[in-house]
Amino acid sequence: EVQLLESGGGLAQPGGPLRLSCVASGFTFSDYVMNWVRQAPGKGLEWVSTINTRGSTYYADSVKGRFTISRDNSKNTLYLQMNSLRAADTAVFYCVKTKTPPLASIDFYSFDVWGLGTTVTVSS
Amino acid sequence: DIQMTQSPSSLSASVGERVTITCRASQSISTYLNWYRVQPGKSPELLIYATSYLETGVSSRFSGYGTGREFTLIINSLQADDFATYYCHQSFAAPLTFGPGTKVDL
Repeated sequence: EVQLLESGGGLAQPGGPLRLSCVASGFTFSDYVMNWVRQAPGKGLEWVSTINTRGSTYYADSVKGRFTISRDNSKNTLYLQMNSLRAADTAVFYCVKTKTPPLASIDFYSFDVWGLGTTVTVSS
Repeated sequence: DIQMTQSPSSLSASVGERVTITCRASQSISTYLNWYRVQPGKSPELLIYATSYLETGVSSRFSGYGTGREFTLIINSLQADDFATYYCHQSFAAPLTFGPGTKVDL
């Protein structure tokens, strides 16, 4: 069974760091583009970041320069290092797998597997 | 950035009804449009990808069509599990963006 399990959420201080992890199982992790998507309380879904199989990364403007996505294929693990956290970053963060696209060169496609999410709260 | 809008923002329906939700992009996104259902307290679930393809395991009551800038999700014979919030999502170009959501309630 394909699964994504996030961890690392919790209470963080404004301006502080937090690192999220996501362990993947049930599929060949290294073959897939991976993402983080978040949902603030009472708000909609917001794409945060994407990392492709070659390690190229993409970020939403709202997190660029503060968040870093990375992956360790030997550990089947996706990470999101979050620095300079703001109250506006308070959200449930989902680890998300990209569905196999029609062309291998395509980095952006639909999101077919979602983790259960980990909650990040930024507050003093 | 590509802006996504959805209409209506909410709707009330009954079990067995047919529901239609529209999503519009601020520029052409070809058919790189996906639909998700978010049930209360649960993770999002992919329903339709690339405008009209039904995700494996998803009920055939769901269908989608469109191209360019305007897209539609249809839910036939609404069931109890369908009372949820629905989001469209463009995967044409970064930054990837979602619509604001359409809440379907009883």
